[in-house]
Amino acid sequence: NAGVTQTPKFQVLKTGQSMTLQCAQDMNHNSMYWYRQDPGMGLRLIYYSASEGTTDKGEVPNGYNVSRLNKREFSLRLESAAPSQTSVYFCASSVGTGKGYTFGSGTRLTVV
Amino acid sequence: QQQVKQSPQSLIVQKGGISIINCAYENTAFDYFPWYQQFPGKGPALLIAIRPDVSEKKEGRFTISFNKSAKQFSLHIMDSQPGDSATYFCAASDQYSGNTPLVFGKGTRLSVIA
Repeated sequence: NAGVTQTPKFQVLKTGQSMTLQCAQDMNHNSMYWYRQDPGMGLRLIYYSASEGTTDKGEVPNGYNVSRLNKREFSLRLESAAPSQTSVYFCASSVGTGKGYTFGSGTRLTVV
Repeated sequence: QQQVKQSPQSLIVQKGGISIINCAYENTAFDYFPWYQQFPGKGPALLIAIRPDVSEKKEGRFTISFNKSAKQFSLHIMDSQPGDSATYFCAASDQYSGNTPLVFGKGTRLSVIA
């Protein structure tokens, strides 16, 4: 049982480049989330999907887009990366929104 | 603005001692309060959670104390061990109204020294 799988684990981008972070869960969870973690800032919600076919903005959505591809997969896209987006990104999923999250192991992104 | 304020930012405890981390919230609609534990290089993992209809929940060496009137809850780690060294996050959500993601505190880095 893999849980929540994130790819890639590490990535270095140049300013202005684009990329997509992938997330997949195999627990048949309805809700999925993208968080970023920065030193001293905790976990800040970027976007979430309460159920397949819906997405909503979180606390820090600017500069990001998401796609809930199907019930299993939820991707995060950076269209034009900026150094301020250097962070560790975590995907999570849960049966219902707001409870019992399972997190992936994270993607460490550096934008130079 | 939904917020969960967590303190301290960092904590150093002797092996065998008690670690205490505190959180305060403002939204009285919050009705689910979990704690997550994160080791370096890993994602956070659910440690223990409480609902406001009880004042305390204990699982092994970990206890959540909840004070509804003060809008505060805390994590106590008894007999702290070096293996407990990690970052701890409190969180809260409104389960009753549904579709509200967890709001996290900013985290506490715990170091347990021998």
